Amino acid sequence: EPEVTQTPSHQVTQMGQEVILRCVPISNHLYFYWYRQILGQKVEFLVSFYNNEISEKSEIFDDQFSVERPDGSNFTLKIRSTKLEDSAMYFCASRGTSGRYGELFFGEGSRLTVL
Amino acid sequence: AQRVTQPEKLLSVFKGAPVELKCNYSYSGSPELFWYVQYSRQRLQLLLRHISRESIKGFTADLNKGETSFHLKKPFAQEEDSAMYYCALSRNFNKFYFGSGTKLNVKP
Repeated sequence: EPEVTQTPSHQVTQMGQEVILRCVPISNHLYFYWYRQILGQKVEFLVSFYNNEISEKSEIFDDQFSVERPDGSNFTLKIRSTKLEDSAMYFCASRGTSGRYGELFFGEGSRLTVL
Repeated sequence: AQRVTQPEKLLSVFKGAPVELKCNYSYSGSPELFWYVQYSRQRLQLLLRHISRESIKGFTADLNKGETSFHLKKPFAQEEDSAMYYCALSRNFNKFYFGSGTKLNVKP
C-alpha cells in the first residue's frame, strides 16, 4: 500500500541554522500539507499546497518557513533560521481525489530538536 | 474562529465497556468532521468521516449541529482500541483543524 514517507526521522540542529524536512507524498495525490505538533500539544496546521502553489497557510507559517515541490515527487519544508520554539514533530500529509473523500494520508513525522 | 475541543486528555475504560470520546467544535458554516486515530508506533490515520456516516471498527460518530458536537462512540471497547484519538474539522479541505487529542486506554 502506498505511503507518505518523510526524512529525516529526527534532526537536531543549532538555533539559527537552516533545516529542510523532506516528504514524498503518495504518487497520484495532488494536495499536500505540513502540520506540526509541539510535545503535548495539538496537531497544528502550517500550510497546504496544490498545483505548485500555497493554497492556505497559518499564522505560524511566517517568512522563516517555505515549501517547495522541486521535482514532482518531493515536497519540502524549509525553516530558514530555526528558533527554540520550532522544536516539534513535523508531519507531512497528502490527499487524493479518489477513495474516502477528504482523507489525509500522513507520514510518520520528522522530529526537529533545536538547541 | 474555527476550533475543535476535546475535553478529555485521557480516558480509561475496561474491555467490554462502552466508550465515548467527546469532541465539540466552533464553526460558523457547515463543517466536514473527522476522527483520526494514532495507534502506538503508527502514523496518524483516518478512522471515520461524518459525511459518510460510517461505522469503522465498531466506532460511530454523530454530528449534532445543535450542540456542535461530534462525539465518537463504541458500545464495547476492545484492548486494541487503545490509541490516541483526534477529532478534526475542515471547511474546504485546504485546512484541517485538529483537537488536542484523547488518549484511550482500554484495560483488560
